[in-house]
Amino acid sequence: QVQLVQSGAEVKEPGASVKVSCKASGYTFTSYAIHWVRQAPGQRLEWMGRINAGNGNTKYSQRFQGRVTITRDTSASTAYMELSSLRSEDTAVYYCARENVGASDIWGQGTMVTVSS
Amino acid sequence: QSALTQPASVSGSPGQSITISCTGTSSDVGSYDLVSWYQQHPGKAPKLMIYEGSKRPSGVSNRFSGSKSGNTASLTISGLQAEDEADYYCCSYAGSSTYVFGTGTKVTVL
Repeated sequence: QVQLVQSGAEVKEPGASVKVSCKASGYTFTSYAIHWVRQAPGQRLEWMGRINAGNGNTKYSQRFQGRVTITRDTSASTAYMELSSLRSEDTAVYYCARENVGASDIWGQGTMVTVSS
Repeated sequence: QSALTQPASVSGSPGQSITISCTGTSSDVGSYDLVSWYQQHPGKAPKLMIYEGSKRPSGVSNRFSGSKSGNTASLTISGLQAEDEADYYCCSYAGSSTYVFGTGTKVTVL
């Protein structure tokens, strides 16, 4: 079946970086874009950016520009989101999602990232 | 890019209809027919309920419907059921391959 499986929970110290993976299966990875969305505890969904899995083109939210990098490995059908210079406010669940006709139709299970000293 | 504005909460009794609004600007909601709606139960990943403003994915109940007028999109849930109690988010394409989510609405079934 079509699914996105994300890597496990992470605990990082302030100032560090985190890299979350999102492995796709059940469809042609390069035919769809992948989005990254985060949700801080008790807060709303926040769009971070997307990658065209076919050509690798990326677009980031201005809010995260300069701190977030989204990449993909087509041989592994996997997308990655790296967030640097972590601070406590980055503590959140990070989701990847497949883009289909301008919407996110398939979501990963989420990855909890905790930033704490 | 500012978040789209949604009411913080909406409630209704079983069987009733409720409508959630999602107000953006002429740069996002008003310019594109690419508004989507998501349902999120506590501790779960969001689920796509409406795409392209008014289309339902396979498997989504026809009790859910979407519409748009100007810079405001709306999600209507008819025949409200206990299982509809959840958080709902709108999302709009905002040009240049960027997207913006709404502030979220908590739906309570009384």
